[in-house]
Amino acid sequence: SQTIHQWPATLVQPVGSPLSLECTVEGTSNPNLYWYRQAAGRGLQLLFYSVGIGQISSEVPQNLSASRPQDRQFILSSKKLLLSDSGFYLCAWRPPDRLNTEAFFGQGTRLTVV
Amino acid sequence: AQKVTQAQTEISVVEKEDVTLDCVYETRDTTYYLFWYKQPPSGELVFLIRRNSFDEQNEISGRYSWNFQKSTSSFNFTITASQVVDSAVYFCARCDLTSGSRLTFGEGTQLTVNP
Repeated sequence: SQTIHQWPATLVQPVGSPLSLECTVEGTSNPNLYWYRQAAGRGLQLLFYSVGIGQISSEVPQNLSASRPQDRQFILSSKKLLLSDSGFYLCAWRPPDRLNTEAFFGQGTRLTVV
Repeated sequence: AQKVTQAQTEISVVEKEDVTLDCVYETRDTTYYLFWYKQPPSGELVFLIRRNSFDEQNEISGRYSWNFQKSTSSFNFTITASQVVDSAVYFCARCDLTSGSRLTFGEGTQLTVNP
């Protein structure tokens, strides 16, 4: 069966510090991968998606970047965090050949920038 | 951008009341998929249902039911005889078959069921 792992669960970082959130998927190949952010009391905003290794599409200009160094690994990074980067970050995956399926989400990372 | 709109930001009901959560979507596609997710206080997203654009049959699963009306671009979700455990944020989403098949979410509806 497929599983998605996302860590850490909680993170408190000072302004100006770097960030690295990691997401890995097991039990599937060539998944579509996504990073979403949820600001407090708001909806889910798609930040990045990837349909293959090294293929990253950005949805909104921001202080963040994403990379996919391996087929089932998706990393969200920042060189210098801003206060506005605080939020709940969710990684998700979908099988590439079954477009009618739902997206499967990780447990999320709650990031607080102080 | 094609939006998903959940006009109800917050809904508060008393246990055992029925409640309907509204969802209206925009799309230029003839084939698309719609979803509902539940987000309890713990934060994880729990998948509830998906519907494709060719299937307008309403669906019932226990106390949950969904009404898909293609003519009005709506996909509403009803909870019958609500319970305190139904308290959560509920998201409606649409899948774009282009652009990585990403899901576009509405802003969510915070449902509070009071005892």
